[in-house]
Amino acid sequence: GDSVTQMEGPVTLSEEAFLTINCTYTATGYPSLFWYVQYPGEGLQLLLKATKADDKGSNKGFEATYRKETTSFHLEKGSVQVSDSAVYFCALSEGMMAAGNKLTFGGGTRVLVKP
Amino acid sequence: NAGVTQTPKFQVLKTGQSMTLQCAQDMNHNSMYWYRQDPGMGLRLIYYSASEGTTDKGEVPNGYNVSRLNKREFSLRLESAAPSQTSVYFCAIDGVSYEQYFGPGTRLTVT
Repeated sequence: GDSVTQMEGPVTLSEEAFLTINCTYTATGYPSLFWYVQYPGEGLQLLLKATKADDKGSNKGFEATYRKETTSFHLEKGSVQVSDSAVYFCALSEGMMAAGNKLTFGGGTRVLVKP
Repeated sequence: NAGVTQTPKFQVLKTGQSMTLQCAQDMNHNSMYWYRQDPGMGLRLIYYSASEGTTDKGEVPNGYNVSRLNKREFSLRLESAAPSQTSVYFCAIDGVSYEQYFGPGTRLTVT
């Protein structure tokens, strides 16, 4: 079945440092890929997405490129802020099936940015 | 949270008690989902409903039942709560490109 693997964390950084969170996946077809962010005490928010190979998703200074050859979708940000402290989830979807669209999530990576 | 509401926000139950978690959407989407979130395990699908009147099991359905009351509402019921069901529960709906949008969650503690 489908699976998503991401680094466990926590990742602790200083403000303005470079952030990378690795995400790799296994899937039977050609999935769409997502990064979600969860701030303390809140629900998950879609951060960015990519629906086909070589697509780059970007939002709020974060980027991730869909690499089919390495089955990866690593999240990067060039200069983090304290407000980026959150838990980040990588996820995939194989697309709509007759009975709904099922997302598969990684375990989440906690990021703590210190001033 | 893209028009997905959940009630209650917090709940404490004793083992064996029952409760229903409510989810409602104002986006007129067909598919709705219930997930649970546990530390280090990401989100796991409990049940989903692809359309009004249909429901299907996800990855971890044991101990839960669901009702798709109408297109707008999808409820999750715990008939006899167990400590293993202590978790954060999220309802979600589909977006336009296979992404999903989540409600704010219900934090449930079973003692």
